[in-house]
Amino acid sequence: QKEVEQDPGPLSVPEGAIVSLNCTYSNSAFQYFMWYRQYSRKGPELLMYTYSSGNKEDGRFTAQVDKSSKYISLFIRDSQPSDSATYLCATLDLNTDKLIFGTGTRLQVFP
Amino acid sequence: GAGVSQTPSNKVTEKGKYVELRCDPISGHTALYWYRQSLGQGPEFLIYFQGTGAADDSGLPNDRFFAVRPEGSVSTLKIQRTERGDSAVYLCASSQSEVTDTQYFGPGTRLTVL
Repeated sequence: QKEVEQDPGPLSVPEGAIVSLNCTYSNSAFQYFMWYRQYSRKGPELLMYTYSSGNKEDGRFTAQVDKSSKYISLFIRDSQPSDSATYLCATLDLNTDKLIFGTGTRLQVFP
Repeated sequence: GAGVSQTPSNKVTEKGKYVELRCDPISGHTALYWYRQSLGQGPEFLIYFQGTGAADDSGLPNDRFFAVRPEGSVSTLKIQRTERGDSAVYLCASSQSEVTDTQYFGPGTRLTVL
């Protein structure tokens, strides 16, 4: 079992839709969770960084962590064509000091 | 301000050749990471530097891969006797100092081994 599982998509939605992106993780000790956005032929850029459980909101983006089910989510409201990218979830394993990434979900927002 | 830069952006080489990939981290960042990203996959950890020393090189796939950071700033990832399976995007990231600090990624070097 991979430590972080993510549906690769692709996910295609119309402009203005609410997008839900999800990951599951295997180790209940993980405490730090991130969402990165990666445009084609670019490096990942950090979107959201959360610690432990709960919600964090930043503009149109909300990150949610449910530690009881080992589930992390990213919601995008009022999605725009410029949101079209690959979204990578990641967690920091403090035992190894390594970032562990999911495979990424490719999102396409069409006008 | 300047972000993480990587050169070259693209590298095409022949099987068996030696390549060097360079990373310039954000100024003042003491932690530097190398990752490899294959098509359709997330980045996979290769090596982590804290200052000049490799704090963790457990992700390097074999002894053909080596990385240095002699002055605690620029880092070079070196691959000897390249194989077709080495083809991937090699990403570099830097962070301020602690492992919990945000990692900022460069644009990557796309390596193609023919």
